[in-house]
Amino acid sequence: QSALTQPASVSGSPGQSITISCTGTSSDVGGHNYVSWFQQHPGKAPKLLIYDVSSRPSGVSIRFSGSKSGNTASLTISGLQAEDEADYHCMSYASSFTWLFGGGTKLTVL
Amino acid sequence: QLQVQESGPGLVKPSETLSLTCTVSGDAVNSGDYYWGWIRQSPGKGLEWIAYMSYSGRTYYSPSLNSRVTISVETSKKQFSLKLWSVTAADTAVYYCVRHRGSSSWFDPWGQGTLVTISS
Repeated sequence: QSALTQPASVSGSPGQSITISCTGTSSDVGGHNYVSWFQQHPGKAPKLLIYDVSSRPSGVSIRFSGSKSGNTASLTISGLQAEDEADYHCMSYASSFTWLFGGGTKLTVL
Repeated sequence: QLQVQESGPGLVKPSETLSLTCTVSGDAVNSGDYYWGWIRQSPGKGLEWIAYMSYSGRTYYSPSLNSRVTISVETSKKQFSLKLWSVTAADTAVYYCVRHRGSSSWFDPWGQGTLVTISS
């Protein structure tokens, strides 16, 4: 099992929209609708943003949305705000009750 | 509100056993279709799923760590534990405990994390 592939970094200006990709294979991302996204600020624990590809937990801003096409899942953040600057991690079910993470993406708000 | 909190030694010697405990508050560990698990993050690196288990005892482990790891749950104490044997410097990481909801990719809440350093 290999880690999922995310861009190391992305950036955007306040108010803009950005998208972070998470690429796997047909055995993980492409084979199930069990993909999550987490936001992690420095020194903090990850926070669940999106689960089951596109569902948002209660309390998470509607500015965060998730989608999937084939073997690639995506997280879109609209109306970028300064507090969105953080690391973002994707996670996917792999097989036999095991899970894979991406390498993480650092978002910089310019 | 459900909370989970890790505890355990912050320093372990190479070749020894890393032991961590997660204490659950705000809910029982034997409620619903939930799994209790561990995830780690090496310094400056990404996250790595280690293992999880149901309160009934079904356990699932990362293939890369399967031979060195065991998790267990003590329902009466509302705690679950992680043991990782024969540790090396590569096992230095922040270890998080987390609850997973079955039949979904829901992993929440997370503990604040505990840094375990492997060094002599």
